[in-house]
Amino acid sequence: EIVLTQSPGTLSLSPGERATLSCRASQSVSNNYVAWYQQKPGQSPRPLIYGASSRATGIPDRFSGSGSGTDFTLTISSLEPEDFAVYYCQQYGDSPRTFGQGTKVEIK
Amino acid sequence: EVQLVESGGGLVQPGGSLRLSCAVSGFTLSHYGMAWVRQAPGKGLHWVSGISASGDTTFYVDAVKGRFTISRDNSKNTLYLQMNSLTVADTAVYYCAKWNGYGENWGQGTLVTVSS
Repeated sequence: EIVLTQSPGTLSLSPGERATLSCRASQSVSNNYVAWYQQKPGQSPRPLIYGASSRATGIPDRFSGSGSGTDFTLTISSLEPEDFAVYYCQQYGDSPRTFGQGTKVEIK
Repeated sequence: EVQLVESGGGLVQPGGSLRLSCAVSGFTLSHYGMAWVRQAPGKGLHWVSGISASGDTTFYVDAVKGRFTISRDNSKNTLYLQMNSLTVADTAVYYCAKWNGYGENWGQGTLVTVSS
């Protein structure tokens, strides 16, 4: 199975700053089938990005995804107060589908 | 509006069984693959099981193979997860998701606690 490793584990930033989250796969992800989710406490995951770089419905353009092969990145260009949450990557290029362990973006 | 509502969670003893349900609305269930994803308390997300739009093909993570069964009743707009031989390691919030390789829409989750 493909293991996804997210870094850093925690990112401490201030509103308005840029956030860069990494997701590294143990092997190449077919067709760059990587999705990103945001999860806040007590809530279900919210899809942000699919296909490595396509924004899901209703997602603001401050969220962007990039990468290919084994290295993928989620960038939040300027953090809003509502963006402080945990972010997960997930690959769907191979079975079983697997998730990274998450990156927590916290207020500095 | 797409909605998914899980039910059926609760407290069960090790070795017991539960059946989770996921009632969907706002889309035609028969047109979409579906999945169950779980999250142990304070932990990350783990894909558990998936089913094709037709219901012909099912998928399971190794940890639940032979114990869990995913099914769907398109006439009732409902997805199911039958869970047998439960262990403490199965304790988690279980989410159903409209699945297109990734979770396009998610329910609010239902908590399954396995404890004696």
